[in-house]
Amino acid sequence: GENVEQHPSTLSVQEGDSAVIKCTYSDSASNYFPWYKQELGKRPQLIIDIRSNVGEKKDQRIAVTLNKTAKHFSLHITETQPEDSAVYFCAASEGTGGFKTIFGAGTRLFVKA
Amino acid sequence: EAQVTQNPRYLITVTGKKLTVTCSQNMNHEYMSWYRQDPGLGLRQIYYSMNVEVTDKGDVPEGYKVSRKEKRNFPLILESPSPNQTSLYFCASSGTTEDTQYFGPGTRLTVL
Repeated sequence: GENVEQHPSTLSVQEGDSAVIKCTYSDSASNYFPWYKQELGKRPQLIIDIRSNVGEKKDQRIAVTLNKTAKHFSLHITETQPEDSAVYFCAASEGTGGFKTIFGAGTRLFVKA
Repeated sequence: EAQVTQNPRYLITVTGKKLTVTCSQNMNHEYMSWYRQDPGLGLRQIYYSMNVEVTDKGDVPEGYKVSRKEKRNFPLILESPSPNQTSLYFCASSGTTEDTQYFGPGTRLTVL
């Protein structure tokens, strides 16, 4: 079946460094790629997303890049802060955010002060 | 306040005892989904609904049923729960004018 692979599963960085999380998807029909942040004991929350007609999107310290040919997309967090520590999930969807959606397994990010 | 609510938040039950987890949203969203979250597996979509009376299977629909009789509600039904359905369940909703999925607080289910 369709899947989304996410790497690394765990990432530890020093405060102020950058963090990069990568995902690969298999379904060529996917055209919407959201990223979610989940803090311990809480619900996932959307932090940034990108559509297949866009190669890059940025929101302050967070950016997402998409290579549709290679079926890769990545999350970049710059100037990391301790409050960025959480689990991050990528996802791929054929339609809008509520349509058939496949999530990656998640990346646990630790930002050391 | 715009929100997605789920009930119950915690449930311990026994194998074979039918249960329903309710989900309700007050944002007039067309799309609603159910996910289960298990360690190391991320979130896996169980069922999703595009509008009233329109539902479709997600990645892991076996052992679950859903219904969408009203736009605001999307209950998840386990007719005969089994221990492998022990998990954290999230309901989510989104509208047609924006892509953001809003998640409910989660329901932690244990099947003994």
